[in-house]
Amino acid sequence: RKEVEQDPGPFNVPEGATVAFNCTYSNSASQSFFWYRQDCRKEPKLLMSVYSSGNEDGRFTAQLNRASQYISLLIRDSKLSDSATYLCAVSGYAGNNRKLIWGLGTSLAVNP
Amino acid sequence: DGGITQSPKYLFRKEGQNVTLSCEQNLNHDAMYWYRQDPGQGLRLIYYSQIVNDFQKGDIAEGYSVSREKKESFPLTVTSAQKNPTAFYLCASRRRGGIERTDTQYFGPGTRLTVL
Repeated sequence: RKEVEQDPGPFNVPEGATVAFNCTYSNSASQSFFWYRQDCRKEPKLLMSVYSSGNEDGRFTAQLNRASQYISLLIRDSKLSDSATYLCAVSGYAGNNRKLIWGLGTSLAVNP
Repeated sequence: DGGITQSPKYLFRKEGQNVTLSCEQNLNHDAMYWYRQDPGQGLRLIYYSQIVNDFQKGDIAEGYSVSREKKESFPLTVTSAQKNPTAFYLCASRRRGGIERTDTQYFGPGTRLTVL
């Protein structure tokens, strides 16, 4: 089992739709969780950190389910500009050093 | 503006040549990372450094070398020993600390390396 897994998609949705992605992780000791957005041929950019209580930023809502070991990202009222790849990242350790473990990403295409 | 810069944006190299990719940050971050991204394979960690004059191998360090002589700079050398160097290379940094919120990594714009 991979340490962090995402459905690669692609998710094709019409403008205005609500879409949700999940990301499962294997290490129950992980403490930090993130969603990044990556546009084609660009660097990943932080979209949201995911907190235990869940958090919302405009049309975006992130949730953490520790019992089932997954995080989710909900996008409401999808815009054309939301088309991108969404990467989840989960904290881990390399020896005593902290690192992030990355999913392969979920591709979203929002269509007019 | 604070941020991470990488240069060059595009780089072409002949087989058998070493090449060095630049990564500079003015965020006063302690930790820096190099990743490689290939289509369909996600981000793979090459090397990372938590403090000046110290660095550690990541998951795919073979054929690469780094140095960390200054806090701001973490150059990556792709050597001729790297069998398949064509890829998108991303540098990242984070503020080092003991609390979970310092795990956030911020990326430079990347260098796209092509071996001819």
